[in-house]
Amino acid sequence: AQSVTQLDSHVSVSEGTPVLLRCNYSSSYSPSLFWYVQHPNKGLQLLLKYTSAATLVKGINGFEAEFKKSETSFHLTKPSAHMSDAAEYFCVVTRPRTGGFKTIFGAGTRLFVKA
Amino acid sequence: EAGVTQFPSHSVIEKGQTVTLRCDPISGHDNLYWYRRVMGKEIKFLLHFVKESKQDESGMPNNRFLAERTGGTYSTLKVQPAELEDSGVYFCASSQGLINSPLHFGNGTRLTVT
Repeated sequence: AQSVTQLDSHVSVSEGTPVLLRCNYSSSYSPSLFWYVQHPNKGLQLLLKYTSAATLVKGINGFEAEFKKSETSFHLTKPSAHMSDAAEYFCVVTRPRTGGFKTIFGAGTRLFVKA
Repeated sequence: EAGVTQFPSHSVIEKGQTVTLRCDPISGHDNLYWYRRVMGKEIKFLLHFVKESKQDESGMPNNRFLAERTGGTYSTLKVQPAELEDSGVYFCASSQGLINSPLHFGNGTRLTVT
């Protein structure tokens, strides 16, 4: 079975400190992995995606994520948090299935940034 | 390019009434998806269109929900009659349809059933 687990429902950091949002997945296939961000009253926006090329993926707004197959993880990081990073973040996995593919969302991690 | 647009942005209706949500995908995106997020819960898949055809509607909660995409352009999601548990945010997304194609989301419709 395919699943994606975001280990923290809430993360709080101070402005200027590093951000780490954790995501683990289970998959029988080589997955496609994504991180999306949702700001209040907005739709989800793509931050970055992994598709079996480089294991370290750089995204927008200074975020990056590293695919670690041995740990089945795809954690999202940023060296220095900004107030504008406060939002909810979703780890997403897609896997092939008959007739197409299936997209599975993590439960989300809400990031709080303190001044 | 214009993004995915959804309207209304908010809808408040009474139990038993009907509501129709609309989604306009990015031009040229054959794949259109509906998702729902009930407050505090996970984002749940509702259904997937490829052009005008329903590719997967396994996530539709029950027969009170009807989605259409006539002509393969915009899509509507009708809830009739609405129940209290239908409250939530309904998101539409479109994509080019490859497994590694990102989803492009609209801002969602917040539905409140009272």
